[in-house]
Amino acid sequence: DQQVKQNSPSLSVQEGRISILNCDYTNSMFDYFLWYKKYPAEGPTFLISISSIKDKNEDGRFTVFLNKSAKHLSLHIVPSQPGDSAVYFCAASQDTGRRALTFGSGTRLQVQP
Amino acid sequence: ETGVTQSPTHLIKTRGQQVTLRCSSQSGHNTVSWYQQALGQGPQFIFQYYREEENGRGNFPPRFSGLQFPNYSSELNVNALELDDSALYLCASSLGGPTRTGSGYTFGSGTRLTVV
Repeated sequence: DQQVKQNSPSLSVQEGRISILNCDYTNSMFDYFLWYKKYPAEGPTFLISISSIKDKNEDGRFTVFLNKSAKHLSLHIVPSQPGDSAVYFCAASQDTGRRALTFGSGTRLQVQP
Repeated sequence: ETGVTQSPTHLIKTRGQQVTLRCSSQSGHNTVSWYQQALGQGPQFIFQYYREEENGRGNFPPRFSGLQFPNYSSELNVNALELDDSALYLCASSLGGPTRTGSGYTFGSGTRLTVV
């Protein structure tokens, strides 16, 4: 039972264009969402997060949008750069004492020069 | 400031054996979480340690156990290894205990465990 789903295993975009990575979740108790980026042979690194009280959060080229009614979030990267090529994981957590993260299966982004 | 260090980087074990994986937290971090990432999947939460006590556990059997030491380093022990335990094991450290630490996680590069 996957509570966080990333249905696109891979995405290819041209340098300078927008990359849109999507994520769906099923657990309505999730109230905090994060995106991580992972390069080969490295651990995931935190990219951006959003609380359920917001519908948008921006940080430079990265924007995360949250649609609570649809249980959907997306990460927009504008403009995309070749260095953005990596695997992107969506993760969610809920306000419990455990604070565990539930990850999606990841989307491999390839930005073509 | 050093990051999270995991050892060993790669390991091959035989089914039924026991394994210990190690993690040194980032300097100043007092909370450690362990995740299992099977091939083609996202990381799955195993458990978290804070102040040397287990603070939350995912859907993993008791043969997965852990320790946190006074210097905040940590070990993950797996007994009676099964083929399905083959995965990348990630350690993440953070500061401040069991709070909303996802954004404050620093992940190590992981230990790739292969069970044959």
